[in-house]
Amino acid sequence: AQSVTQPDIHITVSEGASLELRCNYSYGATPYLFWYVQSPGQGLQLLLKYFSGDTLVQGIKGFEAEFKRSQSSFNLRKPSVHWSDAAEYFCAVVANNAGNMLTFGGGTRLMVKP
Amino acid sequence: DAGVIQSPRHEVTEMGQEVTLRCKPISGHDYLFWYRQTMMRGLELLIYFNNNVPIDDSGMPEDRFSAKMPNASFSTLKIQPSEPRDSAVYFCASIGRSEAFFGQGTRLTVV
Repeated sequence: AQSVTQPDIHITVSEGASLELRCNYSYGATPYLFWYVQSPGQGLQLLLKYFSGDTLVQGIKGFEAEFKRSQSSFNLRKPSVHWSDAAEYFCAVVANNAGNMLTFGGGTRLMVKP
Repeated sequence: DAGVIQSPRHEVTEMGQEVTLRCKPISGHDYLFWYRQTMMRGLELLIYFNNNVPIDDSGMPEDRFSAKMPNASFSTLKIQPSEPRDSAVYFCASIGRSEAFFGQGTRLTVV
């Protein structure tokens, strides 16, 4: 069965600093990959997705993610973090050979220092 | 499209009562997922449907939980009888056409 790992439960960065949130997946082929953000008390908002093609994908709010097949990774990046980016971030995988089940990582809570 | 619509947004009920959560997926999407989110357990997949047919319900915690999808535009998640430990936020997600979107969730409190 596919699995998704987000190794960092909490990350704290200073406002204006760069950010990278890690995501690794376990799956035999190339899955569909997603990053979601959840602010407190809110639902999950799609930041970006990867299905095929260019391995560097651009998302909303200045986020990007890079798919690296050799590392089974799909890390999320932002060059300069804003205080409003403080939230929880979830990586998710849809595995086509597993009935298109949407599997989530455990999430990474991002805190931003002024 | 208005996105994935869940109702109600908030539900407070007494232990033992029946609770029904509703979800309207995005038109044209062929997969629908129900998740539960708590601080302790994070996001848990409860059940998902493909073309209105339940595919995997292994995440449904107990027989008190049931889900239906009578047509492509509507799904329900029912808890009967409800218990305080069912208190959580329940999300519905709709997948299709290379998209995966969530509803805003239903915050359930069982007292």
